[in-house]
Amino acid sequence: DTGVSQDPRHKITKRGQNVTFRCDPISEHNRLYWYRQTLGQGPEFLTYFQNEAQLEKSRLLSDRFSAERPKGSFSTLEIQRTEQGDSAMYLCASSPLTASSGNTIYFGEGSWLTVV
Amino acid sequence: RKEVEQDPGPFNVPEGATVAFNCTYSNSASQSFFWYRQDCRKEPKLLMSVYSSGNEDGRFTAQLNRASQYISLLIRDSKLSDSATYLCVVNRAGGFKTIFGAGTRLFVKA
Repeated sequence: DTGVSQDPRHKITKRGQNVTFRCDPISEHNRLYWYRQTLGQGPEFLTYFQNEAQLEKSRLLSDRFSAERPKGSFSTLEIQRTEQGDSAMYLCASSPLTASSGNTIYFGEGSWLTVV
Repeated sequence: RKEVEQDPGPFNVPEGATVAFNCTYSNSASQSFFWYRQDCRKEPKLLMSVYSSGNEDGRFTAQLNRASQYISLLIRDSKLSDSATYLCVVNRAGGFKTIFGAGTRLFVKA
């Protein structure tokens, strides 16, 4: 399978614990995105990488959230001191850096986080 | 005001019906536009891009009106399998920040 891969798919954690999600994009894609989605809402943009550079972060990404893409390949999203409001599906997506793509982005299956 | 707005629905239609969804966007410098489909508890998947000249893919037709800043999706001859949430998606000028609407829920019934 050469699509976007996310791990773990499901995570249940106690409030106050730290969690980390990993994303492996489609191999030739330079751009990588993290989104968060809650029930009844569309995906909300969190952050964007072009290769290893983090070019934009949403105001939604509080100090407890950090994302990295150290070698321009896989990425991690860490949430520190989790709160119940962090419960959501965290979606990773990637796209190629070509004008012809029109920036079509391709999603992984998502990582479901439940904070109890 | 949200940057991309959609009627949340739900739209309940019988099989074979024609249904249309609209979406408005606020950033006039937006560059590219898409419709994504999302099934319950699954990831969004690209349905089709939207071009200024309008474009069609089988039973699906997408239109873009830049002057009015709205995008539409028309589904003809609805199938049960069309039941899903349809997300309107706008890519900002500069090319990388992609903004999703909240989605329009469609139920197609036999």
